[in-house]
Amino acid sequence: GESVGLHLPTLSVQEGDNSIINCAYSNSASDYFIWYKQESGKGPQFIIDIRSNMDKRQGQRVTVLLNKTVKHLSLQIAATQPGDSAVYFCAEPKGSGGGADGLTFGKGTHLIIQP
Amino acid sequence: SQTIHQWPATLVQPVGSPLSLECTVEGTSNPNLYWYRQAAGRGLQLLFYSVGIGQISSEVPQNLSASRPQDRQFILSSKKLLLSDSGFYLCAWSVLFEQFFGPGTRLTVL
Repeated sequence: GESVGLHLPTLSVQEGDNSIINCAYSNSASDYFIWYKQESGKGPQFIIDIRSNMDKRQGQRVTVLLNKTVKHLSLQIAATQPGDSAVYFCAEPKGSGGGADGLTFGKGTHLIIQP
Repeated sequence: SQTIHQWPATLVQPVGSPLSLECTVEGTSNPNLYWYRQAAGRGLQLLFYSVGIGQISSEVPQNLSASRPQDRQFILSSKKLLLSDSGFYLCAWSVLFEQFFGPGTRLTVL
């Protein structure tokens, strides 16, 4: 069935290092993917998205890579800061409605920043 | 700019009591609206979505219901809460692809 999942439940990195969070998806028909950041006790915050016709997209300190061959998505955070500590989710649209009928979320990766 | 509000922020309710959670969106018209639930340490599960006033689609069978009485208002309800209804309830809106989430309501059923 359709699913979006994460390889690692927890990722611990040193402050200042780069972080890479991975996500595997199974729905080849998904035309875009989204990364969210969720801090403790708060709602998910949109970080960046990527359309399926792209391989890479960059934002401020973040880069998302899409490998459609192996159905793999990654989020790279440059120069990780204490404020980056959070759970990160990848998500894809449910069904074929372009997202109007909701998103399917992965289980999340908890990013821990060590001083 | 668009903003989304949810209330209450936290709620403690006894088993068997009713529930009403409210979500409102400002700064946009005719948004798609969503209710998600998040169990502790877990991902988000879509409960309901709405593409217009009075139009509700349910994703999972349960003792919860949703209503959309106005364009930018989305309500999650229950007649009798169960222990398993405890969780973090999130409302979200979208116009195109990205969904934007509210601050959430932490519900504890005792």
